[in-house]
Amino acid sequence: QVQLVESGGGMVAPGKSLTLSCEGTGFNFSSHGMHWVRQAPGKGLEWVAVMSADGSGQYYGESVKGRFTISRDNSKNTLSLQMTDLRPEDTALYYCARDRYHGSGSYFDYWGQGTFVTVAS
Amino acid sequence: QSAPTQPPSASGTPGQRVTISCSGSDSNIGRNFVYWYQQFPGTAPKVLIYSNNLRPSGVPDRFSGSKSGTSASLAITGLRSDDEADYYCASWDDSVRGWVFGGGTKLTVL
Repeated sequence: QVQLVESGGGMVAPGKSLTLSCEGTGFNFSSHGMHWVRQAPGKGLEWVAVMSADGSGQYYGESVKGRFTISRDNSKNTLSLQMTDLRPEDTALYYCARDRYHGSGSYFDYWGQGTFVTVAS
Repeated sequence: QSAPTQPPSASGTPGQRVTISCSGSDSNIGRNFVYWYQQFPGTAPKVLIYSNNLRPSGVPDRFSGSKSGTSASLAITGLRSDDEADYYCASWDDSVRGWVFGGGTKLTVL
């Protein structure tokens, strides 16, 4: 069955960096775009970034542009999110989600359980 | 770009029909599909509706979606206590070239 397992979360001081990882199993990882979506404590969902299946394209949410970098290694079925210049408002549960394309659009069809990032001094 | 707006809360009694609205803009809902996600406390979201009004396999037909112009709605009929959850609409936004989520609606079954 499809599984997405995130790792790498933790506590980090403002201005520092952290890299999250997501391993996908149970499906052909290299055939799917992959997303990061985050959720601050008690708040709603915020889309962070997406990378295309072959890694050739990526888009970012406005609040993380220029600070976060999404990447993937299809040989290891792994998606990564390198986060730099972290701010307290980046504190959130970070989900990895699979993109399912359906002809004229796509959506997040499988989600991991998330990894929590706390940015505090 | 205007991220979609949802009412923060909605409620109904068992068996009732409830609707949750999602109001966006031309750059997101007006030009792109709408998706709905259900999230129970402490768990990851799950897709309920895609492409405005389609249900993935396994989603009961009590859930339905619609879209008109820059707004969309999720309807739940035959409300059950286990429908109590947070519901989010989402759409691609052409102006920011990214996904936007509504703020979420907490559904309470009285």
